[in-house]
Amino acid sequence: QKEVEQDPGPLSVPEGAIVSLNCTYSNSAFQYFMWYRQYSRKGPELLMYTYSSGNKEDGRFTAQVDKSSKYISLFIRDSQPSDSATYLCAMTMLMNYGGSQGNLIFGKGTKLSVKP
Amino acid sequence: DAGITQSPRHKVTETGTPVTLRCHQTENHRYMYWYRQDPGHGLRLIHYSYGVKDTDKGEVSDGYSVSRSKTEDFLLTLESATSSQTSVYFCAISVSLYNEQFFGPGTRLTVL
Repeated sequence: QKEVEQDPGPLSVPEGAIVSLNCTYSNSAFQYFMWYRQYSRKGPELLMYTYSSGNKEDGRFTAQVDKSSKYISLFIRDSQPSDSATYLCAMTMLMNYGGSQGNLIFGKGTKLSVKP
Repeated sequence: DAGITQSPRHKVTETGTPVTLRCHQTENHRYMYWYRQDPGHGLRLIHYSYGVKDTDKGEVSDGYSVSRSKTEDFLLTLESATSSQTSVYFCAISVSLYNEQFFGPGTRLTVL
């Protein structure tokens, strides 16, 4: 079982739709969760950073973490064509817990297309 | 944008040749990372550095070496490039292991 699972899509929605992007993970030691947006042929750009469970909102973006279900989500409200990109989830754990030394583990990304 | 540059941005080389990629930051962040991104695999950590001359291996370190002689520069070397190392390479920086990482623009490497 992969540590982080993310549906690769592609996901196509009409402009203005609410988009839900999700990742599941297997290691309960993960405590820091991030969402990145990556446009074609560009580097990943940090969108949201959360610690532990709960919601965090930033403009049209809301990140949700449910540690009991080992499930994280990114919601995009009023989606725009400029939101068309690949969205990567990433997570990490405390140092020296499981030997990963706190390195980020990424999902493979979900490709989103928002149609005008 | 975080002050991260990568050079070269594109490179085509032949199997067996040495290749060095450079990452330069102006943020004075302690941690620097090298990732490769491949279809079907996502982003995978190659090596990272937690200070000048302090480096450690990541998930896919075989065939790669790194060096960090200054806070601002992190070099990735392919001693003898192979076609399996054709990829897009990203450098990233962070203040600590638990802080968010900021990525550079990437280097597209093709090994023929």
